[in-house]
This record gives sequence, C-alpha cells and structure tokens, in this order.
Amino acid sequence: EVQLLESGGGLVQPGGSLRLSCAASGFTFSDYAMTWVRQAPGKGLEWVSAISGSGGIIYYGDSVKGRFTMSRDNSKNTFYLQMNSLRAEDTAIYYCAKDMESRPLTPDYWGQGTLVTVSS
Amino acid sequence: EIVLTQSPGTLSLSPGERATLSCRASQTVSSNYLAWYQQKPGQAPRLLIYGASSRATAIPDRFSGSGSGTDFTLTISRLEPEDFAVYYCQQYAMAPRTFGQGTKVEIK
Repeated sequence: EVQLLESGGGLVQPGGSLRLSCAASGFTFSDYAMTWVRQAPGKGLEWVSAISGSGGIIYYGDSVKGRFTMSRDNSKNTFYLQMNSLRAEDTAIYYCAKDMESRPLTPDYWGQGTLVTVSS
Repeated sequence: EIVLTQSPGTLSLSPGERATLSCRASQTVSSNYLAWYQQKPGQAPRLLIYGASSRATAIPDRFSGSGSGTDFTLTISRLEPEDFAVYYCQQYAMAPRTFGQGTKVEIK
C-alpha cells in the first residue's frame, strides 16, 4: 500500500524558512517522480514543484521559483521542500504526492497534507 | 504557462443525473496529458482520469474522460451520493503544471 506522510508544517513569520518532508513507503521510491501541490484556505489546487526519480529533473511553479527548493534522498525514501523567504500568500496545506512514472507527469497517490501558516 | 478554464463553476444536480464538466486550455495540451481529480472536503485529491481518457486504478466506470487539443470533458454518467465534490483538471504536458480553478458538483 502506497503511503505518504508529510511533516514539518507549522507557523512561521514572513521572511522565514521552513523545510517540509515527505516519507514514502509501499513502492520502489527511486522509480517514481514526486510532486508538491498546495491549497490555500478555501481555494483551489496550485502545483508547486516536481522532481524526477533520479533527482536530475526538477520543475517549479512561477510563484515559488527562486525561493523554494525541492530535493530527494532515495536512500531514505524521503523528499523535501525547502521554503525560504516565505510570504503570507504561501499559507496553505501542502500535499506531497507520488507521480505515475520516473519522469514528472501527474500524481496518482497523495498524502493527507501539512499546514503551513505564514504570519507575524 | 498553459491556463486551464473550467466550466461551469458550480453544477447543481440530483443523484442519478448525468454530469458534464468542461476544461478548456489556453493552448494545445500535447499528448493529451490532461488529468482529472476529485476532492472532497477535508480530504486530499484523488486521481480519476489521466491521459484525457484513461481511468485510474479502482475508479468506477461511471466516470469517463474525453477530448483532445484544447477541449476536454469529464462525464459522470449517473451521479452517486459520494460523487458530490469539487473536480479539478490538470495539464502535465508542459512545465509548470497547472490546475483549473475547479467545478463544484452539488446536490440540487
């Protein structure tokens, strides 16, 4: 059974940093790309970032490019989202998700999400 | 960036009725790399359709996807009580991936 467990969310001040983690199990981790998607309170889904199975290909959404960094550690079955220079508009539930192939395509399994609140 | 526009914003229907949801792209979605997701309150999204028309694992056959190029449709043939939710389309043909704004299917 595919399981994805996010951690690292919480309250952070504007301009601060936070690192989200997503621990994966139930599949061969290095064979699949992984994705982060967020959802602001009461709003729709916003795609944030994706990384290939090998980690050699990484994509970012325009609103986070230059501030967020996605990475993965295939030896730990875990991937990460380092978020710097956080803004109020980054407040959202952040979902981690497993893609359908080793190259970034579209997610087929999702975690339950972790809440990030950016506020003073 | 490919902009996806979903219509209608809200669809009010009764159980047993047919639902037709539209997703229009600002430019051609190559290889029909278009997915549909369902989201219920307090839950993570669930993949329904990928490749515009392929059902994901364990998705009932009352859900079907169609379309190509810039116009795509999700059809729910007969609404069950558990189908009332928000539906999103997403393109994965080009980075950055993008979602539509969602269509809410509510009970009439």
